[in-house]
Amino acid sequence: EVQLVESGGGLVQPGRSLRLSCTASGFTFGDYAMSWVRQAPGKGLEWVGFIRSKAYGGTTEYAASVKGRFTISRDDSKSIAYLQMNSLKTEDTAVYYCTRDWGPVDYWGQGTLVTVSS
Amino acid sequence: QSALTQPASVSGSPGQSITISCTGTSSDVGGYNYVSWYQQHPGKAPKLMIYEVSNRPSGVSNRFSGSKSGNTASLTISGLQAEDEADYYCSSYTSSRWVFGGGTKLTVL
Repeated sequence: EVQLVESGGGLVQPGRSLRLSCTASGFTFGDYAMSWVRQAPGKGLEWVGFIRSKAYGGTTEYAASVKGRFTISRDDSKSIAYLQMNSLKTEDTAVYYCTRDWGPVDYWGQGTLVTVSS
Repeated sequence: QSALTQPASVSGSPGQSITISCTGTSSDVGGYNYVSWYQQHPGKAPKLMIYEVSNRPSGVSNRFSGSKSGNTASLTISGLQAEDEADYYCSSYTSSRWVFGGGTKLTVL
C-alpha cells in the first residue's frame, strides 16, 4: 500500500524558514517524481513544485510564486522528499501535500499545516 | 501560470448525471493529454478520479468519466450518489509544471 506521510508543519513567523519532510512507503521511491501541492484555508489546490527521479536527472521545477524561496530535494536511500521553505510570507499559509507524480499526480499524503503569522 | 477555469458549483439529484467543465488554453489542456480530475471531501486529501483525460484508476467507479474537446476538458458523473458530494479539481500538465482549476463544489440535492 502506497503511503505518504508529511511532517514538519507548524507556526512560523514571516521571513523565517521551515523544512517539511515526506516519508514514502509501499513503492520504489527512487523510480518516481515527487510533487508538493498546497491548499490555503478555504481555497483551491496550488502546485508548488516537483523533483524528477534520478533517472530523469533529479531536477526540479517550481511555481512562480515560490521560485527562489522554496527548494525541493530527495533522499532515495531513505525514501524521503523534502520541501525547504525560506523567506516565508503570510500568503504561504496552507496545508502542504506531498504527492507521488508519474504524470499524473496519483497518491497524496494527509497534508501538514503551515501557518505563517507573527 | 493562470489557473484553469471551472464553474464554482454544480448540483444534481440522486440518479442524475452532471458534467463539470475545465477550460484552459492551447498551452495546457489543449496541448497535452495529461488532464486529471481529483475529488476532495472536506478535511481529506484529494483523490485521483481520472487521469490522461479519460482513464480511471483501479477502484474508481465507472460512473466517473472524462473527455476533452479543444481547450476544454470535462468530468461527467452519472447515477449521482450522496457520497459524490465533494469538491472536484481538474489539473493539466503545461511546460514542465502542473496547473489546477479553481475547483467545483458538487452538491447532491
